[in-house]
Amino acid sequence: AQSVSQHNHHVILSEAASLELGCNYSYGGTVNLFWYVQYPGQHLQLLLKYFSGDPLVKGIKGFEAEFIKSKFSFNLRKPSVQWSDTAEYFCAVNARSSNTGKLIFGQGTTLQVKP
Amino acid sequence: NAGVMQNPRHLVRRRGQEARLRCSPMKGHSHVYWYRQLPEEGLKFMVYLQKENIIDESGMPKERFSAEFPKEGPSILRIQQVVRGDSAAYFCASSPSRGTGNTGELFFGEGSRLTVL
Repeated sequence: AQSVSQHNHHVILSEAASLELGCNYSYGGTVNLFWYVQYPGQHLQLLLKYFSGDPLVKGIKGFEAEFIKSKFSFNLRKPSVQWSDTAEYFCAVNARSSNTGKLIFGQGTTLQVKP
Repeated sequence: NAGVMQNPRHLVRRRGQEARLRCSPMKGHSHVYWYRQLPEEGLKFMVYLQKENIIDESGMPKERFSAEFPKEGPSILRIQQVVRGDSAAYFCASSPSRGTGNTGELFFGEGSRLTVL
């Protein structure tokens, strides 16, 4: 069965600090990978996604993620965080072979950016 | 994405009552997914539906929970005889049909927060 693990449950950073959130998945086949963000009181929004090609993908608001197949990882990075990045971040995966399209989510990481 | 509409946004029920949560997918989307988010946990898949069909209900509790997506109208997640452990945020997501630009991305609603007293 697929699973997704996010190592950091709660991260506190000061503005301008660099961010890296870890995400590992377990699945032997080909996967699509996603990072979603949930700002306080809002719905989940897609930050970025990886399907194929360049393993370094860029998303909205200066975020990027790198797919490392050998490590089953898809870590999220941002060189300099802002207070407005305070939110909950979810890594998700679906199996390319799946006929359901359902996403399996990690448990989420709460990011708090101090001004 | 504001296109997926969920209501009610907040629902309070007493133990033993029924909860009905509604979800209207984005226009043009025929696939609906329900997820549950318990406090301090991530989103757990519950059920995947297409119009008039349940495709995958592997995440649904065996009792008291049911879901439907009728030909007309919104998808409904129904919880009978609610218990305190059902208190959670329930998120609906939708996606377009396979082969019509589906990229695997799910579009989420703002969630329905159920509180069981």
